[in-house]
Amino acid sequence: EAGVAQSPRYKIIEKRQSVAFWCNPISGHATLYWYQQILGQGPKLLIQFQNNGVVDDSQLPKDRFSAERLKGVDSTLKIQPAKLEDSAVYLCASSLASGVYEQYFGPGTRLTVT
Amino acid sequence: AQTVTQSQPEMSVQEAETVTLSCTYDTSENNYYLFWYKQPPSRQMILVIRQEAYKQQNATENRFSVNFQKAAKSFSLKISDSQLGDTAMYFCAFPHNAGNMLTFGGGTRLMVKP
Repeated sequence: EAGVAQSPRYKIIEKRQSVAFWCNPISGHATLYWYQQILGQGPKLLIQFQNNGVVDDSQLPKDRFSAERLKGVDSTLKIQPAKLEDSAVYLCASSLASGVYEQYFGPGTRLTVT
Repeated sequence: AQTVTQSQPEMSVQEAETVTLSCTYDTSENNYYLFWYKQPPSRQMILVIRQEAYKQQNATENRFSVNFQKAAKSFSLKISDSQLGDTAMYFCAFPHNAGNMLTFGGGTRLMVKP
């Protein structure tokens, strides 16, 4: 079974530029999550999708961050414009359904904003 | 809001010894789940063990077990017969919402020494 795929694995941009991250969850997984992990800290939740609908985006800084999951499969997380403090690893996770199911994490995208 | 606290930023243990990682949390809910995740160096986050709050019995998965004390809101992870491959960051996590979007603790970096 293929795991959660993310791309790119690394990205370096200058502040005020925009960037997008892509996630492909495990086949058949209805629920998809995005987390931000700053170096040396635990992951911080950003947004949760159930199929193509948003379940919880209360932690997403909506002035600069946006996310979508148009067809209920792949998801894209965008930052526009980026700030220095956005430097982090962005983790995507998926689970079979919403609720207490195991979350499977992707390898993450490491973003460096200079 | 739920909070998750891991008070030990770093720990080390000799191979084959036993180590216990601490976690405390704060919640007003009565029925919930708690999780321990492992993040090896440069590798993906994986689930180690899960505890259901309504169960009296502590969860066990091979060499990994928990000491769950609901009244004290404490959820520690015990690793027996530590192996070099156990070297990793360990995160305690608690569901932020009914959809299982997770709030993570700050993590404990565990080093297993030969």
